[in-house]
Amino acid sequence: AQKVTQAQTEISVVEKEDVTLDCVYETRDTTYYLFWYKQPPSGELVFLIRRNSFDEQNEISGRYSWNFQKSTSSFNFTITASQVVDSAVYFCALSEANTGNQFYFGTGTSLTVIP
Amino acid sequence: DSGVTQTPKHLITATGQRVTLRCSPRSGDLSVYWYQQSLDQGLQFLIQYYNGEERAKGNILERFSAQQFPDLHSELNLSSLELGDSALYFCASSPQPARMGNTIYFGEGSWLTVV
Repeated sequence: AQKVTQAQTEISVVEKEDVTLDCVYETRDTTYYLFWYKQPPSGELVFLIRRNSFDEQNEISGRYSWNFQKSTSSFNFTITASQVVDSAVYFCALSEANTGNQFYFGTGTSLTVIP
Repeated sequence: DSGVTQTPKHLITATGQRVTLRCSPRSGDLSVYWYQQSLDQGLQFLIQYYNGEERAKGNILERFSAQQFPDLHSELNLSSLELGDSALYFCASSPQPARMGNTIYFGEGSWLTVV
């Protein structure tokens, strides 16, 4: 079973629209960590955010915001007023404190922002 | 710049050949991870090392091997190359193993094309 599910394979929005990228995770650990990474067309993977399982506060960074809900095992990512530069593949990832030595990545969501 | 250095950035080689990809982790990081990303595919975890020891193995083919040296740099060896091995190979590093919740930072990747 997938530990991290990103059900949205591709999303297209028009510039200035808001868009939410979904991430659902699965773990039996009580201590775990969630991450988002961005992969622009140039290919590099850029770290965006890290959350631990004990911190359910939502976070906002400029046009980016993250909604962590343990009750639904989700860690969704919202881009407000999207821009063309936001076009990229976005990956959600999970690491577990007690059971793992690796990061589990979702399959990614490809976001295209149309000017 | 993540601080993780990968060489070479691009490599074209023929089927049946062997190549070595090199990774220098961020200063102070003891863990190194290797990932493979094929065209239109997600991130496939290959292997992880911590302070010279193998800690986790993913979907790494028997034709592939890796090691981490005393100076903490790592090499991924790919042999008997096949067309399907063409991919972007990422190295990532973190201070400690994945279960400690550190963020892993990725290098820019090595683009391997097998012809």
